[in-house]
This record gives sequence, structure tokens and C-alpha cells, in this order.
Amino acid sequence: QKEVEQDPGPLSVPEGAIVSLNCTYSNSAFQYFMWYRQYSRKGPELLMYTYSSGNKEDGRFTAQVDKSSKYISLFIRDSQPSDSATYLCAMGAGGTSYGKLTFGQGTILTVHP
Amino acid sequence: SQTIHQWPATLVQPVGSPLSLECTVEGTSNPNLYWYRQAAGRGLQLLFYSVGIGQISSEVPQNLSASRPQDRQFILSSKKLLLSDSGFYLCAHDSGSGGNTIYFGEGSWLTVV
Repeated sequence: QKEVEQDPGPLSVPEGAIVSLNCTYSNSAFQYFMWYRQYSRKGPELLMYTYSSGNKEDGRFTAQVDKSSKYISLFIRDSQPSDSATYLCAMGAGGTSYGKLTFGQGTILTVHP
Repeated sequence: SQTIHQWPATLVQPVGSPLSLECTVEGTSNPNLYWYRQAAGRGLQLLFYSVGIGQISSEVPQNLSASRPQDRQFILSSKKLLLSDSGFYLCAHDSGSGGNTIYFGEGSWLTVV
């Protein structure tokens, strides 16, 4: 079993739709949770970072963490064609783990006009 | 603000040839630095990390090596490339505040033929 499982998609949605991206994990040591967005042939860019269960909002993006279920989600409201990218969840254990993150495989999202 | 530079952006190398990818970070001192690899259709895998000059930790056995000759310079090398070394190589640094968030460069695409 992989430490992090991410719905691979691909997802194709119309502009304005609400998008839900999900990851599950098995390692209870993970304490930090991130979502990265990666455009084609570019490095990933950090979208959201959280370390507690619950919701965190930033504009059209909401990150949700449920540590009891070992489940995290990213919601995108009013999706735009510019949101078309690969979305990667990432997790870290903290402490001396530094930036040694474990990533999901990524979900390819296409938002069509 | 911190910026990270990687080069070359793209390269095609024959099997058995050497490799050198370079990464430099600006706007920070004593950063923790990382090399990740992203193979086609797969998530990111941590290859090496460094917490200081000359300090290298390897996460997976492989055909590659890393060096950190200066505080803000990180180099990924190979003496003889294998076909399986093809992939997207990403240099990253962390926030330096003890958190687990990392920030990526633009990446280097390596195709071994």
C-alpha cells in the first residue's frame, strides 16, 4: 500500500464548476499537508498549506483535512480555464523530517470554457 | 524574496554519458536543499537533501550523486547515465523556519537515449 493515494483522474469540468480533489494516507506521522499546482513542463507551485484538521480557505481554494480518517481534499470554486493543471497533494511528518515530503501521483484537471 | 534557479532546462544525453544539473538559491542563507525526480505519470520522489555545505543525505539507492560546494548551490551528477535516469528533476528549498513547506525551481527535463 502506498503511503499516499491520490485519485488520478483525469478530471474534465466546465468553467464555473466546483472541483473536488482528494488524497488518502496511511502514515499517522504526517502532520503537515500541502497542495501544489503544476502546469505542463513547469515546477510545482505551492497552493495551500495546513497542519490542523478542518478547513482553510484562500480565495477560491479550500483545503480540508480530516486526520481521524487520514483524508485530505482541495476544493476549487468557480473553476477557471487557468486552473487547468496537475494538482499534487503532499505530506510531511515535521520535526527533523524537514522538507522530506511524500507526494501523491497527481490529478490532471481540465477546465473547459 | 527567495528565488531558485535551475539549469539546463532541457537536455538529451546518450546512455553512459555524464550528467551535471545545477541549482542555486537567492534571497536566503543556509537553506535546506532538495533534489526530487518526477518520472512520467508518477509522483515526486525525493532523491537527496542537504542541510549544509558538504552535507548530503541520499534517500534512495541509485546511479546519481549530489554535492553542495557552496551554501546556496546544489548539484546533481552522474558518471554514467542509464535509460532509467530519464525524468523531470526538480531542485527545491524549504522556508527555513522549521516548517515543512518546500518551494521548487522550474525543473530540468532529462531524456537519456
